Formats: sequence, C-alpha cells, structure tokens
Amino acid sequence: AQKVTQAQTEISVVEKEDVTLDCVYETRDTTYYLFWYKQPPSGELVFLIRRNSFDEQNEISGRYSWNFQKSTSSFNFTITASQVVDSAVYFCALSEANAGNMLTFGGGTRLMVKP
Amino acid sequence: GAVVSQHPSWVICKSGTSVKIECRSLDFQATTMFWYRQFPKQSLMLMATSNEGSKATYEQGVEKDKFLINHASLTLSTLTVTSAHPEDSSFYICSAQRSGRRETQYFGPGTRLLVL
Repeated sequence: AQKVTQAQTEISVVEKEDVTLDCVYETRDTTYYLFWYKQPPSGELVFLIRRNSFDEQNEISGRYSWNFQKSTSSFNFTITASQVVDSAVYFCALSEANAGNMLTFGGGTRLMVKP
Repeated sequence: GAVVSQHPSWVICKSGTSVKIECRSLDFQATTMFWYRQFPKQSLMLMATSNEGSKATYEQGVEKDKFLINHASLTLSTLTVTSAHPEDSSFYICSAQRSGRRETQYFGPGTRLLVL
C-alpha cells in the first residue's frame, strides 16, 4: 500500500525567508513517481515536478528545489526567498507503476507567506 | 499541451437534483481519467478511475449508484452526482492520463458543487 505523509499542516513565514516542506512516502514498488503540486486559492492544481524512483538527483528550478532521498523515503521541497505569491497549499503525491499510476496525495501543507 | 477542462466550474443546486460534470482532454487522448473529491481544508481523495469504453472502478466507500461515471470517448468523461444532498457539496477535480504515457496525470481546474 502506498502512503504519503506531510507532517506540516501549516507553515507561516515572512517574505524572503527560505522554507522547506517535508514529504515522506511509503511504497513497496521499485518503480514509482513522486510529485509536488501547488494549489492556490483558486483551487486549480499546478504541477511543479515529477521524479521517478530511479533518479535521485536533486533538482533546482528558479527559487524551487527538491531533495529526493530514497534512504529516508523523503522528497522535500524548498522555496528560497519566499514571496507572497507562494502562499498556497502544497501537495506531495506518489504513484506506483504497478498500481496503474494512481496518485496518492499527502495531506497537504498550507504555506502562508506574509509581507 | 496536455490541457484538461471541466465544465461547469461552479454549480449551485437544490437538494435532490442531479448534477453532471464534464471532464475533457483538449489536446490529447486519454484512455484513463480519474475523479477526485476535495472537502474544505482536506486533501484530494480518489473517487474512481474511469477507463474509456469500460465500467469505472470505484474506491472503497464511494457509492457507484450515486456517482455515475461515463467515459464514452478518449477525450470525455462525465461524473453525474445523482440526487445530490448537502453533504455532497465539495470540490470535484478530474485528471487525465495521456494514452501511452501513464506516469503523469493532467488535472482539470475543478468544479465547485454547492447543494442547498
């Protein structure tokens, strides 16, 4: 069974601070994918990144970076120099190749960036 | 590419009526579509998996007679909430998997349903 845990339900930071959103997952499959999505107040899910289980390289995209560590089953997401527009709910998700790539979402982390 | 639309974006209806929500993949073919429900301040919960030309697979606890899913073409899946009640008020989101590229789901913008 697959499971995704986002232990932080809410985080509040002041603009320009760096913030890391934690994600821990459980899976028995050797082939799986990890995702991060952003959900702004409008509700639409915005795709941020997909990582497959065979690629542990960290990734940086502008102010966003992701740290994938299979040894600790974690896929953490860091926003550098946060901005008010980063305020949203962020979801980590997992899909297993042997389960038809159905997505299991974590509980989400609500990030509030204050000016 | 990979745009998914949902219609309508907002629905307000009286208790007891049925509501149909459409999910369309606009620029790709989707063999499989998924329907999720999200209650306020909660995560997305998978309701059902919809495969083109076959019956949908429902998750445990989701009533298949209440949430009718039809996936008649490679670009359209519909979710009908039959005899809607206030507890069905939620945010319904669909996603589509591109045929032959199952590793990524593309999400629609969601439909907010309010049952009075």
